[in-house]
Amino acid sequence: DTAVSQTPKYLVTQMGNDKSIKCEQNLGHDTMYWYKQDSKKFLKIMFSYNNKELIINETVPNRFSPKSPDKAHLNLHINSLELGDSAVYFCASSQELGRQANTGELFFGEGSRLTVL
Amino acid sequence: AQKVTQAQTEISVVEKEDVTLDCVYETRDTTYYLFWYKQPPSGELVFLIRRNSFDEQNEISGRYSWNFQKSTSSFNFTITASQVVDSAVYFCALSEDYRGYSTLTFGKGTMLLVSP
Repeated sequence: DTAVSQTPKYLVTQMGNDKSIKCEQNLGHDTMYWYKQDSKKFLKIMFSYNNKELIINETVPNRFSPKSPDKAHLNLHINSLELGDSAVYFCASSQELGRQANTGELFFGEGSRLTVL
Repeated sequence: AQKVTQAQTEISVVEKEDVTLDCVYETRDTTYYLFWYKQPPSGELVFLIRRNSFDEQNEISGRYSWNFQKSTSSFNFTITASQVVDSAVYFCALSEDYRGYSTLTFGKGTMLLVSP
């Protein structure tokens, strides 16, 4: 069983469309993340949720809206897609053990490559 | 300011050469973790190592070795006798505490190309 699974793996769409990427983890972790990897391979955190609560929200356009229906799922919805949204989006999860005890190790999904035409 | 700096954007070596990938980090935390991830051409992120800030022992795993030097805030990665399969983008990352939660910040990556 895949620990962190994302769907779809590939997504090609037109500018202006709305699309979603789904993520599920079966590790029992409390915290989930979305990272964006741009064309230069730079990986940057977008959001972090802990037990369905938003923890980290980096400078991301409002067109991006994460939704966490339960702690095992963190979906990413993108409205009015733009060319610059083309990237690989990685979902990840981790187990929070409390301050000073966290190892910080993230378990990543395989990535979802979004291409906006 | 960049928290994790990988100054080498791209390195090309010939098989069997040794290669060192540099990583310099910046943090105010006393407890933190450092990581190396490998991203092969297939695109997934492969965890290689985690090192906590209190453990400065160097680590060796097969052809891979890591040198952690707190005094210079560096966590360098050496591949001995490189192979074509080592060709990938390698990321150094720093985990710090963020309001009681951990957050992982990546360097920009070093692309390693090993040719036969």
